[in-house]
Amino acid sequence: DAKTTQPNSMESNEEEPVHLPCNHSTISGTDYIHWYRQLPSQGPEYVIHGLTSNVNNRMASLAIAEDRKSSTLILHRATLRDAAVYYCINFGNEKLTFGTGTRLTIIP
Amino acid sequence: GAVVSQHPSRVICKSGTSVKIECRSLDFQATTMFWYRQFPKKSLMLMATSNEGSKATYEQGVEKDKFLINHASLTLSTLTVTSAHPEDSSFYICSATYAGTDHTDTQYFGPGTRLTVL
Repeated sequence: DAKTTQPNSMESNEEEPVHLPCNHSTISGTDYIHWYRQLPSQGPEYVIHGLTSNVNNRMASLAIAEDRKSSTLILHRATLRDAAVYYCINFGNEKLTFGTGTRLTIIP
Repeated sequence: GAVVSQHPSRVICKSGTSVKIECRSLDFQATTMFWYRQFPKKSLMLMATSNEGSKATYEQGVEKDKFLINHASLTLSTLTVTSAHPEDSSFYICSATYAGTDHTDTQYFGPGTRLTVL
């Protein structure tokens, strides 16, 4: 499975945008980029996914580099409820392989 | 939409007993269900993949005789931890997927079951 690299932790102030980076330099041409997040003591929650083009949904935006070797999850206006571990995953071989993710802390 | 439930949410059992965890897709038919395990402060580890009516496919290092998976219908999968021991104490999470029109097989996760073996 293609490996992704994310910062271990990030902090952001409440009501400000958050940009969560992910490197996936070994991604194959057909692998989608998925983002999930996990709140404390809960199962992961799907956030967004994309292949080549930037994507938007009600939760977030996903900006994918032209060479697909990196992507950025954008939370436009962070709230305290966005505090979670965010996982960036290259979806291939019908399996999700979770790395260690980025622990996002929101400062009130 | 795409809600997955798990039952029980928390279970405490004695060493040597068996525990069954249910995973249900409430508003969709799941072509595939997955079982994960998560130890404290660690990431999720995939244990097995199951398709309705088929035998589960276990990941390397996961004992199929210890972690019995039954996927009897398109909305229900069960994981039975047999002869549980304290080292099996963990957070067990299931997920379900159905083939969407974009073929990306987004997984929808249950809330997890915390198992504590005394």
